[in-house]
Amino acid sequence: DTAVSQTPKYLVTQMGNDKSIKCEQNLGHDTMYWYKQDSKKFLKIMFSYNNKELIINETVPNRFSPKSPDKAHLNLHINSLELGDSAVYFCASSQDAGSSYNEQFFGPGTRLTVL
Amino acid sequence: RKEVEQDPGPFNVPEGATVAFNCTYSNSASQSFFWYRQDCRKEPKLLMSVYSSGNEDGRFTAQLNRASQYISLLIRDSKLSDSATYLCVVNPPEYGNKLVFGAGTILRVKS
Repeated sequence: DTAVSQTPKYLVTQMGNDKSIKCEQNLGHDTMYWYKQDSKKFLKIMFSYNNKELIINETVPNRFSPKSPDKAHLNLHINSLELGDSAVYFCASSQDAGSSYNEQFFGPGTRLTVL
Repeated sequence: RKEVEQDPGPFNVPEGATVAFNCTYSNSASQSFFWYRQDCRKEPKLLMSVYSSGNEDGRFTAQLNRASQYISLLIRDSKLSDSATYLCVVNPPEYGNKLVFGAGTILRVKS
């Protein structure tokens, strides 16, 4: 059973398009995250939701809009895609936002290429 | 100064060697620390948490030096399967579970 799953795994699209990435976790965790890993391999947090509520919103262009329909799902919608959005996007989940030693489990990543 | 800094490597070592990575962090109020491992084109996975007293898990030993703000990872008896990128991860105090990742240190173990 896949703990954290993402779709699609690969996404190639043109500049200016709008696209969505979906994430689901079956671990029963309360908190979910979106990270971006760029070509220099830095992994940076973008958003975090705890029980469908946004708790971390880093400095991310407002073209990026997360949506959590329930605590097992966290989707990422990106409007007006730009070349610089090309990266690998990882979804992750953890048990409890209040405890800092909780392990974060990552999905397999979505490799986005904007042409 | 970056929040978390690591030597990118690569560290090329023979099987059986002992190798050590260091990582420095800028926020002295950081509360928790981790090493994650990331294989090529895969997701990061937790290798071990780093506790103040230091901790060991098989061939892996992690240590924390709060005074100097650095974390270390020691791998003994390296295996080919240890080849990966090792990410130093710090939890700053502003948010309960926000993690700040270093850019990673590449380890290549050769036969």
